[in-house]
Amino acid sequence: QVQLQQSGAELVKPGTSVKLSCKASGYTFTSNHMNWIKQTTGQGLEWIGIINPGSGGTSYNVKFKGKATLTVDKSSSTAFMQLSSLTPEDSAVYYCARTKDYYVMDAWGQGASVTVSS
Amino acid sequence: DIQMTQSPSFLSASVGDRVTINCKASQNINKYLDWYQQKHGEAPKLLIYNTNNLQTGIPSRFSGSGSGTDYTLTISSLQPEDVATYFCLQHSSRPYTFGAGTKLELK
Repeated sequence: QVQLQQSGAELVKPGTSVKLSCKASGYTFTSNHMNWIKQTTGQGLEWIGIINPGSGGTSYNVKFKGKATLTVDKSSSTAFMQLSSLTPEDSAVYYCARTKDYYVMDAWGQGASVTVSS
Repeated sequence: DIQMTQSPSFLSASVGDRVTINCKASQNINKYLDWYQQKHGEAPKLLIYNTNNLQTGIPSRFSGSGSGTDYTLTISSLQPEDVATYFCLQHSSRPYTFGAGTKLELK
């Protein structure tokens, strides 16, 4: 079955960067796009962007351009999201989510909590 | 960006009740509307995709309808395990946008 296993919780200092991972299994990694989503109590769910693991092509929500960078490692079927210049407003749970036909997000990782605090 | 207005924000209902949740888009989203269920501490789970398609493994008491800018999720007979927060998501145009959520509790 399709599984997306995300890396663990992170406690990071303001101004630093963090790289989250999402390891896919149960399907052909390069056949489906991967999304990243941010969830906070205040802002709800926000779509960050999408990557095509086959080509490496990306599309970002303008709000997250310069903040998030999406990459993949095809050899390990893993998607990554690097968040840079972290501030407390970046504290959230971040999800990866696979896209099936028509860009429907049908499978989600368990989420990774990022806390930005000095 | 397309704004998704979801209502109600909070809903209290009894077991066996018919429950409806609505999402209104700020422009036509051509039925590219999905519904998710999120239980406390868990990831969202896809229930309905492209307005009215039931995701594999989801009970048939869940259904979706709508067109243009207005969409509805219906639970035909509420069960205790349906207590959760429900979100809509439009993927008609990027950036994809979510509704603010409906918290469903048992009366």
